[in-house]
Amino acid sequence: QSALTQPRSVSGSPGQSVTFSCTGTSSDVGGNNYVSWYQQHPGKAPKLMIYAVSKRPSGVPDRFSGSKSGNTASLTISGLQAEDEADYYCCSYAGSNTWVFGGGTKLTVL
Amino acid sequence: QVQLQQSGPGLVKPSQTLSLTCAISGDSVSSNSGAWNWIRQSPSRGLEWLGRTYYRSQWYTDYAVSVKSRITINPDTSKNQFSLQLNSVTPEDTAVYYCVSGTLGRGFDYWGQGTLVTVSS
Repeated sequence: QSALTQPRSVSGSPGQSVTFSCTGTSSDVGGNNYVSWYQQHPGKAPKLMIYAVSKRPSGVPDRFSGSKSGNTASLTISGLQAEDEADYYCCSYAGSNTWVFGGGTKLTVL
Repeated sequence: QVQLQQSGPGLVKPSQTLSLTCAISGDSVSSNSGAWNWIRQSPSRGLEWLGRTYYRSQWYTDYAVSVKSRITINPDTSKNQFSLQLNSVTPEDTAVYYCVSGTLGRGFDYWGQGTLVTVSS
């Protein structure tokens, strides 16, 4: 499978909202409701922020929300904070019990 | 709260076998609702799901097509852990390897600390 497509970088000021896109195909993102999003700070393991397109694990602030339309999934962070600066990765079930990740988007908080 | 503790060598010679182990606490490798994955990350390949093992009245494994001919993931019920073996490694297999719990319905929710494995002579 090919990796999901994510923009290389996104930036925003504190308090603003930012949205990350994740584009796949009908074989992955468009074909199921198992898209997840991960936040990764430098030198740390990724952290699950959203699963099943729009569900938040316990402890993840409700500033983080997910959605999907067709072959594109989105992660939105509202009320941007300095500690949100990190890399963000999307992941989708790709059929046949396999998963595919996106290349990641670097978020800069200005 | 699930915790995953990885162990294994950080340097492997080309053509040899990469072996890592992941010890589980807070859950059971034999859980009928869990799944135990290996995911790696490198600058060139990004995050890449490699495979998983899980128990649903019997043991199952699934592997990524890219490594299917070289990979083995095994559970060890006596030690509540699971392992990764990747054969015939090349420098392209140099990456940080993570053991991760997670299922289709809940995402990859708990991650090990990561092990940087360098393939070099």
